[in-house]
Formats: sequence, structure tokens, C-alpha cells
Amino acid sequence: NAGVTQTPKFRVLKTGQSMTLLCAQDMNHEYMYWYRQDPGMGLRLIHYSVGEGTTAKGEVPDGYNVSRLKKQNFLLGLESAAPSQTSVYFCASTDSGVPGANVLTFGAGSRLTVL
Amino acid sequence: AQKVTQAQTEISVVEKEDVTLDCVYETRDTTYYLFWYKQPPSGELVFLIRRNSFDEQNEISGRYSWNFQKSTSSFNFTITASQVVDSAVYFCALSEAEGYSSASKIIFGSGTRLSIRP
Repeated sequence: NAGVTQTPKFRVLKTGQSMTLLCAQDMNHEYMYWYRQDPGMGLRLIHYSVGEGTTAKGEVPDGYNVSRLKKQNFLLGLESAAPSQTSVYFCASTDSGVPGANVLTFGAGSRLTVL
Repeated sequence: AQKVTQAQTEISVVEKEDVTLDCVYETRDTTYYLFWYKQPPSGELVFLIRRNSFDEQNEISGRYSWNFQKSTSSFNFTITASQVVDSAVYFCALSEAEGYSSASKIIFGSGTRLSIRP
């Protein structure tokens, strides 16, 4: 069972470069999330999606864009990377059901360094 | 707005000691869910427990127990007779349902790094 797969696992960028993180889930989950994890800050929600073709802003959406063209994929884009975006990024997914009761299944994380 | 506070940044105890991780939350909703997740040194995030706002019964699972108190907006996590394998970062999280979509914006606390010394 693959679960939630994130690619790439590691990436080094220069300031101003662009890149896309891909999250793929094979559990037919309706909802998908992107978080970033920074020391002392915990996990902060960047964007999330409640279904194919829909996205919504989380706590820290600035500097990121997302797309959910297919139900199984959730892409996180950085158009012009900044050193402040150096972080570990986690994707998560969960099924629909009882409102608010969603237990997240996480990917292994993607470590991004912006020089 | 929802908020989760884990005031303890790091805790270090000797093996076999009991340890409690604190979690305080803020929400305007009457219906919400609280969670604990564990992140061991390997980095993956693992779900531990979920509790809804209408169920204040404490829960025990082996050496783990959770104390939910709505009066103090707290959802604390206790490990009894700690073991080295319990060393990890522990996150508390809060989920509120949004409208009728049943989707939820799940917000995490800043985490508590627990180190168990042999």
C-alpha cells in the first residue's frame, strides 16, 4: 500500500527559482492538505482541497499556489522561491465522513532548501 | 479562529518516569475534534487518538492516557512508565467542520519534543 507519496523527497533551490511538489494518494481520499514544518512552529497549514478542482487557503498561503486537477494528486507550487520557504513540507489526505473527524494520513515529507 | 497551544517545547525524563504533555485549544465552535499525532525520529507522522467535543471521557490505551477537559479547553496526554521508544515530537491538533462540506481545516500546535533517557 503506497498511501501518500511525495516527490521529490529533497530539493535545493536558488532564490527566485520555481518548483512544484507533487503529492499523490491511492486511497481515493476526498480531502488533501499541504503543511510546512519549521523548528518551534509545528505544522502550519498552507492550502487544502476538499475535492477535485477545489482549493482553499490555510494559515500561511502566501508565496504558494496549489492545484487539484485530479482527485489523487495535489500539487504545491513555489513561483519564486525565497529562503523563508526553506522547510519540510508534508502532504496529507483523508476521506470525507463525519464533519471535522478526519484522521490524516501523511506522506513522508519533502525537505526543501532555498539558498 | 482556532488555535492550539503546546507550551512545553521540550521535555526530558528518565526511562520509567511518567510524563504529561499539555495541550490547550481555542475554538468558537461547539462541535470539534481534537487529535494527538506522534513524529518519531524517522520523521513520519502517526495518528494516536481522536476525541470529539461531546465526549469528555478519559481514554487509556496501554501506557497512554488522555485527559479531555472542556472547562479548561485542555486535552493532555500522559505516558506512564515511559520508554526510550516514546522519544518523539508529539503534536496536538484541532479540527472544526466547515459548513456543510464536512471538510475540516486541521490546525496543529507547535509540538513537544519528548526525550526519554535510558
